[in-house]
Amino acid sequence: NAGVTQTPKFRILKIGQSMTLQCTQDMNHNYMYWYRQDPGMGLKLIYYSVGAGITDKGEVPNGYNVSRSTTEDFPLRLELAAPSQTSVYFCASSPSGRSYNEQFFGPGTRLTVL
Amino acid sequence: AQSVTQLGSHVSVSEGALVLLRCNYSSSVPPYLFWYVQYPNQGLQLLLKYTSAATLVKGINGFEAEFKKSETSFHLTKPSAHMSDAAEYFCAVSASSGGSNYKLTFGKGTLLTVNP
Repeated sequence: NAGVTQTPKFRILKIGQSMTLQCTQDMNHNYMYWYRQDPGMGLKLIYYSVGAGITDKGEVPNGYNVSRSTTEDFPLRLELAAPSQTSVYFCASSPSGRSYNEQFFGPGTRLTVL
Repeated sequence: AQSVTQLGSHVSVSEGALVLLRCNYSSSVPPYLFWYVQYPNQGLQLLLKYTSAATLVKGINGFEAEFKKSETSFHLTKPSAHMSDAAEYFCAVSASSGGSNYKLTFGKGTLLTVNP
C-alpha cells in the first residue's frame, strides 16, 4: 500500500512553460486535494475533487487546472508557468467528505519557475 | 468561516525539555482539530486529531493536545523533547457535524528546533 504518490519530486520550469504534476492514491479514497505550501504561509487549497468527474476550485486556483477521470488519479496542470507558482505542491486524499476524516498527504513536488 | 492561529513561527527547546506549541482556532460551529507534522523534505503526517470524543487527545511519538472550548485552543505538548522531534508542526481545523465539510484550514506552521 503506497498511499499517495506524486511525481516528479523536483522540477525547474522556465516562464511560460507548461507541465503536469501527477498524483495517484491506492486507498480508494473519493476525495482528493491539491495544496501549495509557501514558506511561513501554511498550506493553501488550490483545487479539490469529491469523486471521479467532479472537481472544484479552492482558495488559490488561478493559473492551475485539474481533471479527475479515475478515482486513483488527480493531476494538476500548470499552463503558463509564472515565478509566483514557485512553491511546494502537495496532493492529499481522504476517504469521505466528513469533517473528522484526516487527509493523507503525498511527499510533495518542489517546483521552481525561473 | 474558520481560521487557525499558531503563536510562534519558531520554537526552540533543549533536548529533554517540555514542548509546547500553541494553536487557537476560530469556528462558527464545533470544530474538528488536527495536528500534522512535517519532517524536512517530506509530506505531512497526522500526529493526532480531536473529534469531540475526549478533550485530551493522545497522538503518536508521545505528543498530546487538549481541546479547551472556553479558550478556543488546541495546544500541542510533549513532556520531554527528543532530537527526532525537530520538524514543522501545523494545526488545522475543519468545520463539524452534520453535512460534509471536507476542507481543512491550516495554520502557518511552527518550526520546532531541538538543541542538544
